[in-house]
Amino acid sequence: ETGVTQTPRHLVMGMTNKKSLKCEQHLGHNAMYWYKQSAKKPLELMFVYSLEERVENNSVPSRFSPECPNSSHLFLHLHTLQPEDSALYLCASSQGASGGTYEQYFGPGTRLTVT
Amino acid sequence: AQSVAQPEDQVNVAEGNPLTVKCTYSVSGNPYLFWYVQYPNRGLQFLLKYITGDNLVKGSYGFEAEFNKSQTSFHLKKPSALVSDSALYFCAVREPGGFKTIFGAGTRLFVKA
Repeated sequence: ETGVTQTPRHLVMGMTNKKSLKCEQHLGHNAMYWYKQSAKKPLELMFVYSLEERVENNSVPSRFSPECPNSSHLFLHLHTLQPEDSALYLCASSQGASGGTYEQYFGPGTRLTVT
Repeated sequence: AQSVAQPEDQVNVAEGNPLTVKCTYSVSGNPYLFWYVQYPNRGLQFLLKYITGDNLVKGSYGFEAEFNKSQTSFHLKKPSALVSDSALYFCAVREPGGFKTIFGAGTRLFVKA
């Protein structure tokens, strides 16, 4: 499973820190996604990028800031987080820029703990 | 609005027995339907999808799913469960042309030896 990689795998940060999550896909896909996975809740779509342009933003608080410098890389910049932001953050990619019929390929996730 | 329901939090089955993980959906038009599996400390892995055509779709690891339009269901099945199938299973739906995939809350499958 090296198609989509995420770093770091684990992150502990204080509420006043600034950190970034990194995602890289090696599949030649055109769309990339950030999801939040909390215990006993459905996956929450945070952001979608298609051909490096943001096409979906699901009312995510401004303390989360995405960046997609090219079609292979996706970042999630974090600042002044709250304890309820602790979760597993998953990156995914899919072939094609129109979503549609394509399945998504997920990275292993970053386990974030906000103290 | 799109929605996906997985009515069972947990399914228990003995190894060698058939398994079914249920999924129902609500979406306008003809949806695209997906099943994913998540093992501990891993991301989600794609199992299979229904786009159009034959209502029975086959996927990875011997899994299959049956699309039933009248019942708006897309249940995941396997004829003979393995202990290694124990994991968290997610059903997902997407409207044609859209980027947004809606995931169910997940069903945890336990297969006992």
